[in-house]
Amino acid sequence: QKEVEQDPGPLSVPEGAIVSLNCTYSNSAFQYFMWYRQYSRKGPELLMYTYSSGNKEDGRFTAQVDKSSKYISLFIRDSQPSDSATYLCAMREWGGSEKLVFGKGTKLTVNP
Amino acid sequence: DTAVSQTPKYLVTQMGNDKSIKCEQNLGHDTMYWYKQDSKKFLKIMFSYNNKELIINETVPNRFSPKSPDKAHLNLHINSLELGDSAVYFCASSQQPPSSYEQYFGPGTRLTVT
Repeated sequence: QKEVEQDPGPLSVPEGAIVSLNCTYSNSAFQYFMWYRQYSRKGPELLMYTYSSGNKEDGRFTAQVDKSSKYISLFIRDSQPSDSATYLCAMREWGGSEKLVFGKGTKLTVNP
Repeated sequence: DTAVSQTPKYLVTQMGNDKSIKCEQNLGHDTMYWYKQDSKKFLKIMFSYNNKELIINETVPNRFSPKSPDKAHLNLHINSLELGDSAVYFCASSQQPPSSYEQYFGPGTRLTVT
C-alpha cells in the first residue's frame, strides 16, 4: 500500500459546482497536511496547509483532516474555470524526515 | 523577480549522455530540493539540501549527483542518461523546518531521453 493514495480522476464539473478532492494515507506519523495546485506545465504551488485534525477555510477553499480515519479532503465552493488544474495532496511527519510525501494528484476541469 | 528559476526548461538528449540542470532561488531560503515528476504526474522527492548540506537522499541511482555551491543554488548532474530518466524535474526551496511544508517550486525542466 502506498503511503498516500489519491484518485487521479480526471474530474470534470460545471462552473459553480462544489468540488470534493480526497486523499487517504497509511502513515500515522503524518502531522502536516497540504494541498498544492499545479497548473499545466507549471510547478506546484501551496494552496492550503493544516496541522493535525480539523477544518481550515480560506475563501472558497476548505481543507479538512480526519486523523482517526487517515483521510483528508479539499472542498472548492462555487468552482471557476480558473480552478482547472491538478490538485496534489502532500503530507509530512513532525520532526524526523522533513520530506513531503505527495499523492498522485487529481486533475480537475471546471467547464464554463 | 522569479523566485525559483531553473535552466534549461527543456532538455532533449540521447541515452548515455551526461547533462546538468541548474536551479537558483532568490527567496533567502536555507533548504532546497529536487523532485522528479513522471509521466503519470507522480511527484517524488530525490534530494534535499539545507545550508549546502545534504539532508535527504532518497533511493535514487548514483548516476544522479546533486551539488550545492551555495545556499541559493542547487544543481543536478545526471550521468549516463537512460530512457527511464525522461520526466519533469522540479527544483524547490523552503524555509527551515518546521516551516518547510511551504515549498516554492520552479517551473520545471522537461527532460526527454531518446
